[in-house]
Amino acid sequence: GAVVSQHPSWVICKSGTSVKIECRSLDFQATTMFWYRQFPKQSLMLMATSNEGSKATYEQGVEKDKFLINHASLTLSTLTVTSAHPEDSSFYICSARPADTEAFFGQGTRLTVV
Amino acid sequence: QKEVEQDPGPLSVPEGAIVSLNCTYSNSAFQYFMWYRQYSRKGPELLMYTYSSGNKEDGRFTAQVDKSSKYISLFIRDSQPSDSATYLCAMGNPNFGNEKLTFGTGTRLTIIP
Repeated sequence: GAVVSQHPSWVICKSGTSVKIECRSLDFQATTMFWYRQFPKQSLMLMATSNEGSKATYEQGVEKDKFLINHASLTLSTLTVTSAHPEDSSFYICSARPADTEAFFGQGTRLTVV
Repeated sequence: QKEVEQDPGPLSVPEGAIVSLNCTYSNSAFQYFMWYRQYSRKGPELLMYTYSSGNKEDGRFTAQVDKSSKYISLFIRDSQPSDSATYLCAMGNPNFGNEKLTFGTGTRLTIIP
């Protein structure tokens, strides 16, 4: 299957700082990538759809100014959590689809804000 | 009503047993179906992908789709402790390019040695 790489795997940051998470498609081009958030023992919650060369589409209730998404190339999308607070601590996962079919996921990033 | 319903479990079965995991859905526009396995603190891993009614087999895993009943299943034969994970069903509509997938809530499975 296709490979999606996410970095970093885990990060700890101080409250009020910003954190950037990268998502790369290693062996295919992805015009669209998806960012999810997952709380412990819960399912994936779609945050936004990242579109190469255009603005991301955010799901209802997700603050676009807090979760900045940049999809600068066909293989890279970034999610920046700005002015992070402890309630932003979560597991963030990206995914991409080589075609209009199955999606492949990154390894996830565990963010802890202290 | 959620578009995709999945029993969250937890489900515990003895090693070697056959496991049956299920999802139901309400949106008849869904045309392709996936099962993912997610270990704790890891991203979901694609197990099975199918787009037609019927069965698809891959090793110990069999995916079954019944579009008339809007019901999909994943069977795991000869279950192993390493199969202990959360299993997520996902569905998509091919009529819209790069449309987001819809996920079930996931079923937590534990295989008891």
